[in-house]
Amino acid sequence: AQSVAQPEDQVNVAEGNPLTVKCTYSVSGNPYLFWYVQYPNRGLQFLLKYITGDNLVKGSYGFEAEFNKSQTSFHLKKPSALVSDSALYFCAVRGPGLLTGGGNKLTFGTGTQLKVEL
Amino acid sequence: DGGITQSPKYLFRKEGQNVTLSCEQNLNHDAMYWYRQDPGQGLRLIYYSQIVNDFQKGDIAEGYSVSREKKESFPLTVTSAQKNPTAFYLCASRLKSGGYEQFFGPGTRLTVL
Repeated sequence: AQSVAQPEDQVNVAEGNPLTVKCTYSVSGNPYLFWYVQYPNRGLQFLLKYITGDNLVKGSYGFEAEFNKSQTSFHLKKPSALVSDSALYFCAVRGPGLLTGGGNKLTFGTGTQLKVEL
Repeated sequence: DGGITQSPKYLFRKEGQNVTLSCEQNLNHDAMYWYRQDPGQGLRLIYYSQIVNDFQKGDIAEGYSVSREKKESFPLTVTSAQKNPTAFYLCASRLKSGGYEQFFGPGTRLTVL
């Protein structure tokens, strides 16, 4: 079965500094990876995904993620953090598809709270 | 939150009562999903449906039931058999021919009094 680990419950960063939110995964077959953001009492918003191709994926709001197959990681990054980036971030991996008995389900990590301070 | 609506936003239930959470989407998405979110535990899949009139159990289906009579709608019933129903419930949908990402509704916070 697939799994995702987000080793940091919280990440603190000063506004204007680069940020990294870590994610490692385990899945059989090719990994399909996703990042979502959640603001308080709201649903999840899709940020970006890796399916295939370039290891550096660019997404919404200036975020990007780097896929590293040898380290089984998919870390979320942003060159310059904003206070408004403060939120809960989830990494997710897609499970097996219909042909292998799955339902294209996503397995989520436990989330990392990002706090950007002035 | 796109074209996915969930109602109500807040729901209070007495112990022993069944309640139904609504999820509607106008995105013409094929698959729909229900998740439960608890602090520090991320999202856990309750039920999902790939097509109308068909659905499958997720990882924590006990005490819940669903129906999928229309493509646009995927209501979730939290029954009295669910021992700890207080949580934030999220509905999501996905286009089967799309890129596998799911799109989420704004959520319903259920509190058992």
